Formats: sequence, structure tokens, C-alpha cells
Amino acid sequence: QKEVEQNSGPLSVPEGAIASLNCTYSDRVSQSFFWYRQYSGKSPELIMSIYSNGDKEDGRFTAQLNKASQYVSLLIRDSQPSDSATYLCAVNSFNAGNNRKLIWGLGTSLAVNP
Amino acid sequence: NAGVTQTPKFRILKIGQSMTLQCTQDMNHNYMYWYRQDPGMGLKLIYYSVGAGITDKGEVPNGYNVSRSTTEDFPLRLELAAPSQTSVYFCASSYSSGFEAFFGQGTRLTVV
Repeated sequence: QKEVEQNSGPLSVPEGAIASLNCTYSDRVSQSFFWYRQYSGKSPELIMSIYSNGDKEDGRFTAQLNKASQYVSLLIRDSQPSDSATYLCAVNSFNAGNNRKLIWGLGTSLAVNP
Repeated sequence: NAGVTQTPKFRILKIGQSMTLQCTQDMNHNYMYWYRQDPGMGLKLIYYSVGAGITDKGEVPNGYNVSRSTTEDFPLRLELAAPSQTSVYFCASSYSSGFEAFFGQGTRLTVV
């Protein structure tokens, strides 16, 4: 069973701090990794995609991928109260029919305190 | 650019009733998905489609049916609604399997 694991939280950080969200995955041949943000009562929204080892930066968000250790992380710099949401990690994986599919983590709840 | 559009946003059904959740996308994506999300349980894949005329079961297909007659539309049918189907339903689409998925705004369904 291919799995994606996240700490459920809640992760609480003060406004202006760096929030660090982590995700580990079990399928060694996974190639694509995604971070989604989901506000309460809303649908998941894609915020970052990463495909190769290293860091990828987009504004205040940095995704970090380490395929050897099978983890992907999301850093949010200068956290704002508007960043308070659940962050979902999704990883592409191959199923028994050798078809790719997205495997979802349960999400980490982030609270940014003013 | 509308993206993925779901209707209705909210619905209350009585046990045993049936309904269809509508989903349409304008991004010309071949892949479409139906998920349900229960509190603390994450996203569960109900059905997916890799193109018009082709559908397949996901993790939790029992009690649901789908069809894909066009690239744009992927309706989800609930037959004989049960309280266990109370959930939030999301439709999503992607360019191909394993690529980033884009979600509709969701349908909150309550079965009483």
C-alpha cells in the first residue's frame, strides 16, 4: 500500500515566523510532488509542484525535495494569519496496473497567531 | 477561466433518495476524478475517468455511479442515498495521471 504521511498538527507559529511542513512517502519511484492549501470549508488549491531534488521557491513558499530520504517539505516564510489552513501533500505513484495516480496525505493543520 | 465547476454547492437528501452531482471542466483535461472528504479522513477517490467513455473505480465506489460521455462533463450519481454518504464531494481534473489536479468548489451533501 503506497502511503503519504504528514503530521496532523495543529502546527502553531507566530506571525512573521517560518512555518515548516513535512511529508514522507513510501514509493521510491515517485516523480511528482505537490502541496495544496485547503481553507476550512473550501476546496484544495495547488500552491507548489516539485519534480527534482533540491529547493523550489515561489514567493514566500519554498518546497524542498529529497528523494533519497523520501521526504518533501514546504516552508512558509513571514507567515501570515491568512496562511492558516490545512496543507495537503500529494505524491504521484504507480499502482498495480502500472498507472500513475495521486496519493494524498491527511494534511497538516497550520495556525498562524497574530 | 472557469476551471472546474460543480453543482450544487449544498444538498440535503432523505435516505433512499437519488441525485446527480454535476461536474464540468473547461481546461480540456482528459483525466477527471471524484473524491469525498470526511473530517479527519483525507481525500478518498470514488471514481475516475481517463477520457470520454472510460471510467474506473477508485477506493470507495460502492453506492455511486459515474459516466463520461464528453471530455468536459463527469457526473456522479448517488442511488439510494444512505447516511454514510454524508460528506463533502470534490470533482477534480488533470492533464494526465499523476499530474497536478485542479478542484471544483465542492458539494456538501447531508443524508438524513
